[in-house]
Amino acid sequence: KNEVEQSPQNLTAQEGEFITINCSYSVGISALHWLQQHPGGGIVSLFMLSSGKKKHGRLIATINIQEKHSSLHITASHPRDSAVYICAVSPQVTSGSRLTFGEGTQLTVNP
Amino acid sequence: EADIYQTPRYLVIGTGKKITLECSQTMGHDKMYWYQQDPGMELHLIHYSYGVNSTEKGDLSSESTVSRIRTEHFPLTLESARPSHTSQYLCASSESSGGYYGYTFGSGTRLTVV
Repeated sequence: KNEVEQSPQNLTAQEGEFITINCSYSVGISALHWLQQHPGGGIVSLFMLSSGKKKHGRLIATINIQEKHSSLHITASHPRDSAVYICAVSPQVTSGSRLTFGEGTQLTVNP
Repeated sequence: EADIYQTPRYLVIGTGKKITLECSQTMGHDKMYWYQQDPGMELHLIHYSYGVNSTEKGDLSSESTVSRIRTEHFPLTLESARPSHTSQYLCASSESSGGYYGYTFGSGTRLTVV
């Protein structure tokens, strides 16, 4: 069993829909990251969370430390949101900041 | 605007050649990482560095080597490329601020060994 699990693995939505991607982890963490990877391969760091909720534009990320769960929400989705969304955690047991990655969620938003 | 630069973006090279993938960051981050990613698969850490003259192997065994002579520069070298090295290589750096780590990723180098 992976230390970081994401669901769903694949998600197809229509433009304008509200989207939720979930991430569960099984280790103590110092921080959780949401990353976005476009087909070209480059990765963008969207959020880094240690508690609560963060919002950036149409993106919202939440984390519940007690339940070891985080969600990434996209409001009013758009075809340009199509990408792989990756959840990653910085486990407390490691010295420093090495990340453990989920398998990613492939999001496709159709016009 | 990217603050971490990887070159080349794409590389096709023959078996047995020596190659160096470049990674530079302008943010003064002390921590840098190399990840390997096969198409549609997870990222795997192959090397990391917590500062100048500090390098460690990551979770995934790799025949590559790295060096960290300057804070901003973290090149990865394959002495003799093989088709099994065909993959995407992503460089990243992070800062620590109050115990929390912000990451920045490069655009990646897509390597094909023929």
